Amino acid sequence: AQRVTQPEKLLSVFKGAPVELKCNYSYSGSPELFWYVQYSRQRLQLLLRHISRESIKGFTADLNKGETSFHLKKPFAQEEDSAMYYCALRESGATNKLIFGTGTLLAVQP
Amino acid sequence: GAVVSQHPSWVICKSGTSVKIECRSLDFQATTMFWYRQFPKQSLMLMATSNEGSKATYEQGVEKDKFLINHASLTLSTLTVTSAHPEDSSFYICSALLANQPQHFGDGTRLSIL
Repeated sequence: AQRVTQPEKLLSVFKGAPVELKCNYSYSGSPELFWYVQYSRQRLQLLLRHISRESIKGFTADLNKGETSFHLKKPFAQEEDSAMYYCALRESGATNKLIFGTGTLLAVQP
Repeated sequence: GAVVSQHPSWVICKSGTSVKIECRSLDFQATTMFWYRQFPKQSLMLMATSNEGSKATYEQGVEKDKFLINHASLTLSTLTVTSAHPEDSSFYICSALLANQPQHFGDGTRLSIL
């Protein structure tokens, strides 16, 4: 069955420290992976998608099909990065449905 | 661009009442809209997929007679929680999609049933 796993509910780091938010997926087809972010009292918004291969706000994520992972990384965390991060998988085909992970709360301490 | 508006943002009502939540794509025509439910400290759970002019596709375990979805135009979908009860209290979020672009989310509606 399709599944997205984010093993950490909370990740607390100090400002300037590297960050890695883990995401693993289970999907039989060819998935499309996303990272969404939700800042306090704001709507869920797209951070990045694997097909874009871009860096947004210093974050990058590489799809590793061998390990079925799509970890989100940033070399130097900032306090404004504190938010809830959701990894999501979009099924291939016509449905366009997203399957979300349980989310990781990133807390960047000063 | 790609703004999705959801209304109301918060509603409190008595048990047995029906509640309608609107989801609008303000600056684009959405081929598909999605409705999610989110419990406290949990992830988003897809309830149904809504395509303009056709019946919504509900996820397993979601009662279609309880959660009525209407998608009358390319910019508006509504979710009606019929005869709401306290267990229906939750955070409901919609998203809208154009073709194969990423989904854009609304601010969500907090529903509290007394």
